[in-house]
Amino acid sequence: GAVVSQHPSWVICKSGTSVKIECRSLDFQATTMFWYRQFPKQSLMLMATSNEGSKATYEQGVEKDKFLINHASLTLSTLTVTSAHPEDSSFYICSARGDREQYFGPGTRLTVT
Amino acid sequence: RKEVEQDPGPFNVPEGATVAFNCTYSNSASQSFFWYRQDCRKEPKLLMSVYSSGNEDGRFTAQLNRASQYISLLIRDSKLSDSATYLCVVTGTSYDKVIFGPGTSLSVIP
Repeated sequence: GAVVSQHPSWVICKSGTSVKIECRSLDFQATTMFWYRQFPKQSLMLMATSNEGSKATYEQGVEKDKFLINHASLTLSTLTVTSAHPEDSSFYICSARGDREQYFGPGTRLTVT
Repeated sequence: RKEVEQDPGPFNVPEGATVAFNCTYSNSASQSFFWYRQDCRKEPKLLMSVYSSGNEDGRFTAQLNRASQYISLLIRDSKLSDSATYLCVVTGTSYDKVIFGPGTSLSVIP
C-alpha cells in the first residue's frame, strides 16, 4: 500500500531555534498534503493544507509566519517551525491522499526545551 | 459546535464484550466518513470506511445515518488488542480535507 514517511521521527531543540520536518509520499504523487498537530490526550488538529506549487492554506488560529510550509514537489512537503517555543512541543503528523484513503506519516515528536 | 463530536469515553470493557461508539457531525455537506484507530504515540490507521448502507468487517460494523448526521462503530467480541483510541473522521466540503473527532479511548480488560 501507499506509504508516507516523515523525518525526523523525533527532535529536541532549544527555544528560539527553527526545526524543519519533511513529509514524503514514497510510492505515489500527492498534489495535496496535510499537516496535523496532536497534543497529549487530544485529537489531531488540522494545521494547514499544503498544495504543490502554491501557497499553503492555514486553518484559523495557525500562524502562517511561524509554521512555514513548502510543497516543492509532488512527493515532498516540509513544515518549518520557526522560533520554536516550549508550547510548540507536540506530535506533528502529515498525511497525503492516495487512491482510496488518507495515508499518514508516522509522525514527528517535537520537544522544545 | 464542533464539526465532529464523539462519545467522551473512556470505555473500559471486559474481553468478549460488545461496545458501540457514536459520532455526530455538523456539516450536512460532508462527503465521506471513516473510522480510524490510533495506538498510543502512533499515527492513525484506517479501520474502515462508513457507507450509508452500512458495512461490516469481521467483528466491526459501521453505520451512517445521513439524515441524523450520525455515525456508529460496533465492536463485537472485544479483544485485548482492540485497546486504542477510535477516531471518527469526516471529509469536509472539500473532499480532501479531513476532520477528526476528538476520539474515544477503549481499554479491553482481561
